[in-house]
Amino acid sequence: DAGVTQSPTHLIKTRGQQVTLRCSPISGHKSVSWYQQVLGQGPQFIFQYYEKEERGRGNFPDRFSARQFPNYSSELNVNALLLGDSALYLCASVLTPIETQYFGPGTRLLVL
Amino acid sequence: AQSVTQLGSHVSVSEGALVLLRCNYSSSVPPYLFWYVQYPNQGLQLLLKYTTGATLVKGINGFEAEFKKSETSFHLTKPSAHMSDAAEYFCAVSSPNDYKLSFGAGTTVTVRA
Repeated sequence: DAGVTQSPTHLIKTRGQQVTLRCSPISGHKSVSWYQQVLGQGPQFIFQYYEKEERGRGNFPDRFSARQFPNYSSELNVNALLLGDSALYLCASVLTPIETQYFGPGTRLLVL
Repeated sequence: AQSVTQLGSHVSVSEGALVLLRCNYSSSVPPYLFWYVQYPNQGLQLLLKYTTGATLVKGINGFEAEFKKSETSFHLTKPSAHMSDAAEYFCAVSSPNDYKLSFGAGTTVTVRA
């Protein structure tokens, strides 16, 4: 079975730009979570979506938004990029919100 | 609120020696506890998890962890380190009614030949 897939793998943007990251969960999983991992730190929770509805949001500004599609894939959008948004963005797939989360390889974003 | 503290940001062991990574948690409800491993330029891979039941949990690649409620700890061990164990290890906590993982800062393991 295919695991969690994320695209693109790497991305370079400049300050003020907008970026969209994509995630496809494991087949049959209906919930997706997004995490930000800054270099040298543990991942920080951004969002969780279940059945296309937002179930939780971490302590991130409104520049961060996400959505989940009918096929359970998800997009994370970040507007008005700042240098501090440079990080590895991880997507996690889970059958239901309280089950084990399985992570994708991540998208590495560099903001110049 | 839940949180995790990983003691020691770097651990260096000799090949064949015991690996011990320390994790203490804070949770107001019975916790779910996890250890994940991250190899360079990769995502997170689940090593093992504790939800309920037996407090000694065995995972992949010879790792195991013991949940000690009285000590609020979930330390990870492996009896004999292998070169392939060099990676970053993260302890995380959630709960039966929570939907997010709260991670520690991570411990980088290096293995000396």
